[in-house]
Amino acid sequence: KQEVTQIPAALSVPEGENLVLNCSFTDSAIYNLQWFRQDPGKGLTSLLLIQSSQREQTSGRLNASLDKSSGRSTLYIAASQPGDSATYLCAVSPGTASKLTFGTGTRLQVTL
Amino acid sequence: NAGVTQTPKFQVLKTGQSMTLQCAQDMNHNSMYWYRQDPGMGLRLIYYSASEGTTDKGEVPNGYNVSRLNKREFSLRLESAAPSQTSVYFCASSEWDEDGLYEQYFGPGTRLTVT
Repeated sequence: KQEVTQIPAALSVPEGENLVLNCSFTDSAIYNLQWFRQDPGKGLTSLLLIQSSQREQTSGRLNASLDKSSGRSTLYIAASQPGDSATYLCAVSPGTASKLTFGTGTRLQVTL
Repeated sequence: NAGVTQTPKFQVLKTGQSMTLQCAQDMNHNSMYWYRQDPGMGLRLIYYSASEGTTDKGEVPNGYNVSRLNKREFSLRLESAAPSQTSVYFCASSEWDEDGLYEQYFGPGTRLTVT
């Protein structure tokens, strides 16, 4: 059974700092990995999706990497801002039209 | 283009009552999903529908039923609500895009409390 772990569970950083969020998964037979952002009381917003054949994806100040063989992904946030404060979730899928297995998330707070 | 919509946003039920959570998507996606989110547990799949006319159980299907009414709509029914079903429920949909990516899109959620 696939298990996804995110460390740390919570993180507080001052504005402007670069930071890395970690995601690990136990079964490397994944089709893709997706990073989401969730604001309190809201739904999930997709940030980045990496297919298993890719090594990384970038969107603005965000960069996600994938090392499938070691079962790890990282989400790098450059020059953090208070508006980045949210919970970040990673999820993996074994194939198309199939379930995502989620980690429990990292709650990020960026302070002024 | 509203994406994935869910109704209601909030609901309080008494134990034993029934209700249906509604989900609709306007992206012409084939696949749709129902998840629940509980503190410390992450999101867990309840049921999914790979295409119109098919449904399959996910990780936590007990106490729920689903109906894929048409390509747009996928409903989740609680026949006899229990306090353990207090949760936030998310609907999602997915399809191949023009870049060959297969990404899931989520609705805003329904917050359900069972007393």
